[in-house]
Amino acid sequence: KQEVTQIPAALSVPEGENLVLNCSFTDSAIYNLQWFRQDPGKGLTSLLLIQSSQREQTSGRLNASLDKSSGRSTLYIAASQPGDSATYLCALYSGGGADGLTFGKGTHLIIQP
Amino acid sequence: ETGVTQTPRHLVMGMTNKKSLKCEQHLGHNAMYWYKQSAKKPLELMFVYSLEERVENNSVPSRFSPECPNSSHLFLHLHTLQPEDSALYLCASSHHRQGNLGSPLHFGNGTRLTVT
Repeated sequence: KQEVTQIPAALSVPEGENLVLNCSFTDSAIYNLQWFRQDPGKGLTSLLLIQSSQREQTSGRLNASLDKSSGRSTLYIAASQPGDSATYLCALYSGGGADGLTFGKGTHLIIQP
Repeated sequence: ETGVTQTPRHLVMGMTNKKSLKCEQHLGHNAMYWYKQSAKKPLELMFVYSLEERVENNSVPSRFSPECPNSSHLFLHLHTLQPEDSALYLCASSHHRQGNLGSPLHFGNGTRLTVT
């Protein structure tokens, strides 16, 4: 059974810093991996989706990488801003007849002004 | 207006009540999902519909009953719930089922359900 772990569970950094959020998974046979952000009391917003054949995706100040062989993905946030404060969730699709994503518990990020 | 709209935003119900959660997507997607988000736990997939047909039921108790009358609307009917069913219920949609090239999921803001 696929398991997704996100470290750290919580992170607080000063504004302007570059930071990396980590996601690891136990079964490397995945089809794709998505990073989401969730604001308090809200739903999830898709940030980046990486197909299994890709190594990374970029959107603005965000860069996500995927290393299937080691079962790892990272989300890099450059020049962090207070508006980046949210919970960041990693989720992946492993196929096998199940259509849903397997989610990690998330990293709660606080950017201090 | 967000692409995926859920109502109500908050719901408090007793264990003997019957209520329904509603989800509507305006994105022209073909697949819709119900997820449950409990405190301290990862999101759990409950149901998947593709082209209005249920394709997965993740061993969800029968007190949760989904309905998908068309590709734009999804309901979750609730009956005789337990306090441990209190959670944030999230609806999502995608252009294709996840098995087809991994279309990004678009989520609604959820319904915060409290069972007393």
